[in-house]
Amino acid sequence: GAVVSQHPSRVICKSGTSVKIECRSLDFQATTMFWYRQFPKQSLMLMATSNEGSKATYEQGVEKDKFLINHASLTLSTLTVTSAHPEDSSFYICSAGTGFRNEQYFGPGTRLTVT
Amino acid sequence: GEDVEQSLFLSVREGDSSVINCTYTDSSSTYLYWYKQEPGAGLQLLTYIFSNMDMKQDQRLTVLLNKKDKHLSLRIADTQTGDSAIYFCAERRNTDKLIFGTGTRLQVFP
Repeated sequence: GAVVSQHPSRVICKSGTSVKIECRSLDFQATTMFWYRQFPKQSLMLMATSNEGSKATYEQGVEKDKFLINHASLTLSTLTVTSAHPEDSSFYICSAGTGFRNEQYFGPGTRLTVT
Repeated sequence: GEDVEQSLFLSVREGDSSVINCTYTDSSSTYLYWYKQEPGAGLQLLTYIFSNMDMKQDQRLTVLLNKKDKHLSLRIADTQTGDSAIYFCAERRNTDKLIFGTGTRLQVFP
């Protein structure tokens, strides 16, 4: 149980285009989903926390107009990287919270490369 | 500061025990976690410990918590080559946010 999927697993896009990444909880409902970014050989940095039906809460330094988050249902959250630039190239990981401790279960990640 | 510190690298022989250490920052953290990340993959929750516990054992994994020193460790008994990965500790503060450590790369050699 507690499986989280992400789609796509890998994407290459041109500079200036937008990319949407989906995060789904497959066998549970998640009231809270989290989006992280991980640079090579580094730790995970929380970008934003998203609650179903409300606006996401962004961490300091994360541009909300560049990283659009939509949490339309209890099983789906999307992250759209708008007007992507090469410096946005990274590994993006989502997690979904469930259970009385709201434990986070992580997706497999999406590798974004902006050329 | 905000940083959760871990040593960067650990190399052990197959069959030996591995001990991965973590120093966290917030004494009010409620839960502390250990995650495993294999190359190109997401994070797998290995185990967690509640802040009022000193020790937790789960099969080959033993977690020790020294709350006074804000020190957390993960011991893997009988380490196998399949245990080679990056291990992250994480502290959960008064919200649901997780603050991750810098990660320890464990390499197991035969």
